Amino acid sequence: DTAVSQTPKYLVTQMGNDKSIKCEQNLGHDTMYWYKQDSKKFLKIMFSYNNKELIINETVPNRFSPKSPDKAHLNLHINSLELGDSAVYFCASSPGVVLNTEAFFGQGTRLTVV
Amino acid sequence: GNSVTQMEGPVTLSEEAFLTINCTYTATGYPSLFWYVQYPGEGLQLLLKATKADDKGSNKGFEATYRKETTSFHLEKGSVQVSDSAVYFCALSDEDNFNKFYFGSGTKLNVKP
Repeated sequence: DTAVSQTPKYLVTQMGNDKSIKCEQNLGHDTMYWYKQDSKKFLKIMFSYNNKELIINETVPNRFSPKSPDKAHLNLHINSLELGDSAVYFCASSPGVVLNTEAFFGQGTRLTVV
Repeated sequence: GNSVTQMEGPVTLSEEAFLTINCTYTATGYPSLFWYVQYPGEGLQLLLKATKADDKGSNKGFEATYRKETTSFHLEKGSVQVSDSAVYFCALSDEDNFNKFYFGSGTKLNVKP
């Protein structure tokens, strides 16, 4: 069983479209994240939820909206897609407020905006 | 604030060579430190971690020691293999904000047979 799974793995879409990426974790973790990895492999946190509550919201355009229906799911919805949104998006989870624990990552969603 | 700085890549080595990837950090508290590895086309996997000063994390022949005095967590391996070719990320989690992980920019390692 995949611990953190995200779908789709690849997403090609036109500028201006609205798309969603789904993420689910079966680890029983309280905290989930979205990271963006650019073409130079740099990882930047976008959002974090703890028990369905938004706790980290970095400087991200408001076209990006996370939604957490329950603590096992954190979906990312993107409105009015732009060319600069092309990247690999990683979902991750961690136990949350437990010290010294690592984050577990999904396989990534490669988004290409054309 | 918190940040992680890694040596820029790519690093190209021959098989069985010694590997060092430098990582230094800035943190306001006493962070936990991690090395993650990303193989081509895959997500990040935890390679090793250390949770307090002087701890040594190790896995698959890789090692890193948490050095508080030099704020470093350098990754080493005595003899690399072609299968070690990947991107390596140094990261920290802050005890005051342990819901947030800070990553370095990644170092690409190419190992040639």
